[in-house]
Amino acid sequence: RKEVEQDPGPFNVPEGATVAFNCTYSNSASQSFFWYRQDCRKEPKLLMSVYSSGNEDGRFTAQLNRASQYISLLIRDSKLSDSATYLCVVGGNMLTFGGGTRLMVKP
Amino acid sequence: DAGITQSPRHKVTETGTPVTLRCHQTENHRYMYWYRQDPGHGLRLIHYSYGVKDTDKGEVSDGYSVSRSKTEDFLLTLESATSSQTSVYFCAISGTAGGNEQFFGPGTRLTVL
Repeated sequence: RKEVEQDPGPFNVPEGATVAFNCTYSNSASQSFFWYRQDCRKEPKLLMSVYSSGNEDGRFTAQLNRASQYISLLIRDSKLSDSATYLCVVGGNMLTFGGGTRLMVKP
Repeated sequence: DAGITQSPRHKVTETGTPVTLRCHQTENHRYMYWYRQDPGHGLRLIHYSYGVKDTDKGEVSDGYSVSRSKTEDFLLTLESATSSQTSVYFCAISGTAGGNEQFFGPGTRLTVL
């Protein structure tokens, strides 16, 4: 079993749609949680940290469920520019990366 | 964007040749990391450094060595490149220990023929 699991997608959604990604992790001792965004042939970039109480940054909302060991990312009012791969990342002593979920937003 | 550069950005080499990739940062961060990214595997940690001359192995360190003689530079060496080392290599930095957010360089695309 992978330490951090994500549905690879692709998720194909129209502009303006709301889309949600989930991620599960296996190490219950994990202490930090992040979502990164990676564009094609580019480096991963930090999108947002994920806090136990849930947090929001504009159109993006991240939630953490420690009991069930999953993390979610909700994107509202999708834009064409949101098309990318979204990496779920879990931290303990080091960061462990999920394989990513690909999102394609269509006009 | 964090001040991280990688060189070269692209390299094609032959099996058995030595290859050195360079990561340079201007952020004065203590921690530096080398990852490789392959389809189906995501990002995997090769080696990391927690200070000048202080390095340790990651998940996939076989066939790789690293050196850090200055805060700003972290070198990754493939002593004798193999085709299985064809990959995209990313350097990352962080100001605090490994379980916290890291910032990535632009990557080096390496092809071993």
